[in-house]
Amino acid sequence: DQQVKQNSPSLSVQEGRISILNCDYTNSMFDYFLWYKKYPAEGPTFLISISSIKDKNEDGRFTVFLNKSAKHLSLHIVPSQPGDSAVYFCAASGTGSARQLTFGSGTQLTVLP
Amino acid sequence: ETGVTQSPTHLIKTRGQQVTLRCSSQSGHNTVSWYQQALGQGPQFIFQYYREEENGRGNFPPRFSGLQFPNYSSELNVNALELDDSALYLCASSLGQGANEKLFFGSGTQLSVL
Repeated sequence: DQQVKQNSPSLSVQEGRISILNCDYTNSMFDYFLWYKKYPAEGPTFLISISSIKDKNEDGRFTVFLNKSAKHLSLHIVPSQPGDSAVYFCAASGTGSARQLTFGSGTQLTVLP
Repeated sequence: ETGVTQSPTHLIKTRGQQVTLRCSSQSGHNTVSWYQQALGQGPQFIFQYYREEENGRGNFPPRFSGLQFPNYSSELNVNALELDDSALYLCASSLGQGANEKLFFGSGTQLSVL
């Protein structure tokens, strides 16, 4: 039972263009959403997050959009750079004392120079 | 500031053996979580420790156990290894156990069970 789904295993984008990574979730109890980036041989690193009380959060070139009614979130990277090439994981958590993240299966982003 | 470090980086075991993986938290962090990442999948939550007590557990059998020490370093122990236990094991630390605390991950231990 995959509660967080990333249906695109890979995405290729030209340098300077916009990258849009998508994520869907099924658990209505999720109220906090995050994106992590992972380079080979490294652990995931936090990128950006959004609380369910918001529908948008920006941090520099990265913007996350949340559509609660559709149970959908997306990460926009503008402009995309070759250094952004990595695996991007969407993650979600619900209320509770344990900081348990439920991850999607990831999307490999390749930014072509 | 030292980040999260895990040891060993790679490990090969045979089915039925036991394994211990180690993690040193980022300085000042009192909460540690362990995740299992199988090939082609996202990390899956195993359990979390806060101030040396287990503070939440995912859908893993009891042969997965852990410890957190007074200096907040941690161990993950897996008994009676199975082939499906082959995965990348990630440790993550955070300043606290709150819902919005940012997790800092180590580079992981790649476990192969033959």
